[in-house]
Amino acid sequence: LAKTTQPISMDSYEGQEVNITCSHNNIATNDYITWYQQFPSQGPRFIIQGYKTKVTNEVASLFIPADRKSSTLSLPRVSLSDTAVYYCLVVPSYNTDKLIFGTGTRLQVFP
Amino acid sequence: NAGVTQTPKFQVLKTGQSMTLQCAQDMNHEYMSWYRQDPGMGLRLIHYSVGAGITDQGEVPNGYNVSRSTTEDFPLRLLSAAPSQTSVYFCASGYSLAMTDTQYFGPGTRLTVL
Repeated sequence: LAKTTQPISMDSYEGQEVNITCSHNNIATNDYITWYQQFPSQGPRFIIQGYKTKVTNEVASLFIPADRKSSTLSLPRVSLSDTAVYYCLVVPSYNTDKLIFGTGTRLQVFP
Repeated sequence: NAGVTQTPKFQVLKTGQSMTLQCAQDMNHEYMSWYRQDPGMGLRLIHYSVGAGITDQGEVPNGYNVSRSTTEDFPLRLLSAAPSQTSVYFCASGYSLAMTDTQYFGPGTRLTVL
């Protein structure tokens, strides 16, 4: 399974756009990039998943360059409630039976 | 749908005691799993199940047992609690065996072993 590297922590202010970059240099052809969000005292929650180019949903956007060796989670106009840990995962589309979580990026949003 | 539910929310045990953490899901998901989360670390897989009657070990299975007698329930048993098992435990479920399917996590059980 491809290893991921992401910043340990980030700070932002309300209303700003936040971009969290994840490095996954040895991603395989059948791997997807998936992001989960975890609020304090809660279980992780799926945010977004993509394979290449750009994916957008009501919560976030995910940008994946052509070489797929990195990806960027973009949170538009964050609010205090976006304070959470964000996990980048590389997930094979087959031949795996578990998710591998790293330590994630702790995002703190200030007023 | 209640989603994934876990009981209890908090538990304190003494070393050597046994207990069962309950997990249930009402989404008819085939895949269920247990993770533990320790401070400063990501989630680590303990055990998982790909369907009723089928279970397998994850990364850190020692000291834990599981069974899957129904699709809905996936209890985690601590056989003889140790302080090293102090952690937050999360149960998760997914529609199929594909990990690209969304995994739904429960609210967690915070366990302290004295």
